[in-house]
Amino acid sequence: DSGVTQTPKHLITATGQRVTLRCSPRSGDLSVYWYQQSLDQGLQFLIQYYNGEERAKGNILERFSAQQFPDLHSELNLSSLELGDSALYFCASSVYTSWVSGGYTFGSGTRLTVV
Amino acid sequence: GESVGLHLPTLSVQEGDNSIINCAYSNSASDYFIWYKQESGKGPQFIIDIRSNMDKRQGQRVTVLLNKTVKHLSLQIAATQPGDSAVYFCAENGGNRDDKIIFGKGTRLHILP
Repeated sequence: DSGVTQTPKHLITATGQRVTLRCSPRSGDLSVYWYQQSLDQGLQFLIQYYNGEERAKGNILERFSAQQFPDLHSELNLSSLELGDSALYFCASSVYTSWVSGGYTFGSGTRLTVV
Repeated sequence: GESVGLHLPTLSVQEGDNSIINCAYSNSASDYFIWYKQESGKGPQFIIDIRSNMDKRQGQRVTVLLNKTVKHLSLQIAATQPGDSAVYFCAENGGNRDDKIIFGKGTRLHILP
């Protein structure tokens, strides 16, 4: 157990629907990162939050949004889902800057299947 | 630009032999590099990191080598075991301070019996 908790583990939904993925960071970590991993693809950075505020944004679609709450858990909202959104979505956390704390700690991911 | 690539998508190694996984990066401003291991159905797991002021760092059975001249990173795994079967990603920070880590596409390591 890495200490980063992601729920749900699996999610199957229809096109056009909206889903929310949840992440609880490791105790003491202030930063949360979201990554998307498609089949046989690397990890694509989506967005980072630090202590409730957005810190960095990657190639995140406008249909996707995220937030980090006062208790530091984060949610990734995916709307108007398309078949191509089917992927593994990972959350990771770190104390602050990854090059100080030795990189991120990843959760086990949420597998999203859009049908 | 943001480009972290791997030389080989799949690597097959005999059990007990040493494995070498290579990675090329394009951003000369990158000053922090990490290797991650991802087993099937799991999230990436930190293996070892190295900062740009070093050219070699050793861990338990793993060694990372950094050649800044040719912008090349490698991960050496000694005495490869069946449990080493996984996809290995190199990652860099791109020299930025916004804490974003850029991942390469990964190399799948197969261990032959």
